[in-house]
Amino acid sequence: AQSVSQHNHHVILSEAASLELGCNYSYGGTVNLFWYVQYPGQHLQLLLKYFSGDPLVKGIKGFEAEFIKSKFSFNLRKPSVQWSDTAEYFCAVNHGSGNTGKLIFGQGTTLQVKP
Amino acid sequence: DAGVTQSPTHLIKTRGQQVTLRCSPKSGHDTVSWYQQALGQGPQFIFQYYEEEERQRGNFPDRFSGHQFPNYSSELNVNALLLGDSALYLCASSRGWTGGRTEAFFGQGTRLTVV
Repeated sequence: AQSVSQHNHHVILSEAASLELGCNYSYGGTVNLFWYVQYPGQHLQLLLKYFSGDPLVKGIKGFEAEFIKSKFSFNLRKPSVQWSDTAEYFCAVNHGSGNTGKLIFGQGTTLQVKP
Repeated sequence: DAGVTQSPTHLIKTRGQQVTLRCSPKSGHDTVSWYQQALGQGPQFIFQYYEEEERQRGNFPDRFSGHQFPNYSSELNVNALLLGDSALYLCASSRGWTGGRTEAFFGQGTRLTVV
């Protein structure tokens, strides 16, 4: 069965620290990759997505992610976090062939940024 | 432009009862997916509706059923509720049938508690 693994369940950083959240998936075919964020009390929002092309994608609020096909990874990065980045982050995957709107999510990483 | 709206926001039901959750997709969207998010976990795909038909289904029992109406809104029904059905139920909408290369917009969710 396809799965998505997020290695860090809870991350605590100070403001201005750099962030990298790991995400690995277990599917060998074509995939579409997503990072979603859920701020406290809010709905899930898309941070960034990768469908094809340049494996380094930029999203909103200074976030970026790199798709490394050989490692089945799609890690999220931000050079300098802010207190307002405190949230839960979810990596998600769907298959690229046929229609599969079905998103498979990782279990999430809670990021706490200390002011 | 209204986003995805779900009702009710919170619900408490007794084991064995039935429940109906409702979702109105974002304007211009015609595809609706439902997810179950247990505490501390990522969302799990229940099913997806397009053109009033269930197009894909996740690993959920037949107690979970749904419907999509001509105006693209959708309902999720759960029969014979179990304590383990307690979770946040998320609705996501997207546009068209595009092989997964689409952004899903999520609602705030319905928090279901089964006692």
